[in-house]
Amino acid sequence: GENVEQHPSTLSVQEGDSAVIKCTYSDSASNYFPWYKQELGKGPQLIIDIRSNVGEKKDQRIAVTLNKTAKHFSLHITETQPEDSAVYFCAASRMASGGSYIPTFGRGTSLIVHP
Amino acid sequence: KAGVTQTPRYLIKTRGQQVTLSCSPISGHRSVSWYQQTPGQGLQFLFEYFSETQRNKGNFPGRFSGRQFSNSRSEMNVSTLELGDSALYLCASSFGTSGASYEQYFGPGTRLTVT
Repeated sequence: GENVEQHPSTLSVQEGDSAVIKCTYSDSASNYFPWYKQELGKGPQLIIDIRSNVGEKKDQRIAVTLNKTAKHFSLHITETQPEDSAVYFCAASRMASGGSYIPTFGRGTSLIVHP
Repeated sequence: KAGVTQTPRYLIKTRGQQVTLSCSPISGHRSVSWYQQTPGQGLQFLFEYFSETQRNKGNFPGRFSGRQFSNSRSEMNVSTLELGDSALYLCASSFGTSGASYEQYFGPGTRLTVT
């Protein structure tokens, strides 16, 4: 089955700095890669996703890059703010039975943004 | 549009008991997936229901079961509870059909504590 490695497990930055979280996956058939942000006491929230036919996607301060050859993808957050502090999960998925996508998650990165 | 709702939010049970958790998906979403989140194992896929049928299943013992109703609401049941079943149980909904949006939206979770 799919295996997703995520690094680092903890990332501490100063407000205004950039943050980068990296993930690798093992299944070359994976073709959908969502990123989730989970705040304390809440469920994961989808913040950005990328499909395998795209190399990069950006949404305001957040961007994701995908290198299919190397089987790795990264989340980039620029101009970090204290409210960006949360646990971030990457995931890799392929089409499962019936046309759904079942993600395999990384272990998470705890991002701490210091004011 | 209302998000995914889960009830109850918190639950304390004793070893050997059984428990039922409920999830109401986003209106229009027909797929409901369940995940278990623990510090040790991370986010793990339990099963997915679509049109009242279990469509995909993760690697969990038969004590974990679920069902989906005609209005897409879903329940999951855990029988003969063990201490290791203590976790945050998350429900996620999506359109679930081939060609539709892939995104999964998570509820806030049910925190289950087994004593």
